Amino acid sequence: QVQLQESGPGLVKPSETLSLTCAVSGYSISNDYSWGWIRQPPGKGLEWVGSISHSGNTNYNPSLKSRVTMSVDSSKNQFTLRLSSVTAADTAVYYCARRGGTSYYYFDYWGQGTLVTVSS
Amino acid sequence: EIVLTQSPGTLSLSPGERATLSCRASQSVSTNYLAWYQQRPGQAPRLLIYGASSRATGIPDRFSGSGSGTDFTLTISRLEPEDFAVYYCQQYGTKGVTFGPGTKVDIK
Repeated sequence: QVQLQESGPGLVKPSETLSLTCAVSGYSISNDYSWGWIRQPPGKGLEWVGSISHSGNTNYNPSLKSRVTMSVDSSKNQFTLRLSSVTAADTAVYYCARRGGTSYYYFDYWGQGTLVTVSS
Repeated sequence: EIVLTQSPGTLSLSPGERATLSCRASQSVSTNYLAWYQQRPGQAPRLLIYGASSRATGIPDRFSGSGSGTDFTLTISRLEPEDFAVYYCQQYGTKGVTFGPGTKVDIK
């Protein structure tokens, strides 16, 4: 069974860099598939942050592209998100997920989510 | 960027009733790249439908998806108590992934 678990600081100061890790179990991240980050501000809808392939190719939300960096660490079977110059608008639950399929685009396995609050 | 609009914003129904949720795209979406999710309070989204009409593993057959081009529909044939939740559609296009704003299905 594929499982994903987000980890990282729950509180980040404005203008600093948010850094989250998603640990994957039950599947080797280097085998195939792409991996993504999706966020959800409190009480609001879902927003895609970006995706990264098992080989490290990235695709970011155009509205966040200048501030987002994603990477894969196959040795630890995990991938990471870094979002720089954060503001209160970046406060959200951050989910990591697996993109399933190759001819399709959907997220079939999700982590439980981690709340990141941007505040001084 | 393709914008997804979902209607209605809230759907108030009783258990056993049929729910019809709409997702409309600002540009044509490949059926392969249209998915639906269910999100219950405090939980991560759960994949229901991919490829516009294919049920994900373990999803009951009371959930069905249809549509093409710019108009897509999620139908729940008979609402069970656990189906009262928020539903999101999602698409993938040349500028990446976007989600609709969601439809909340609540108990009448």
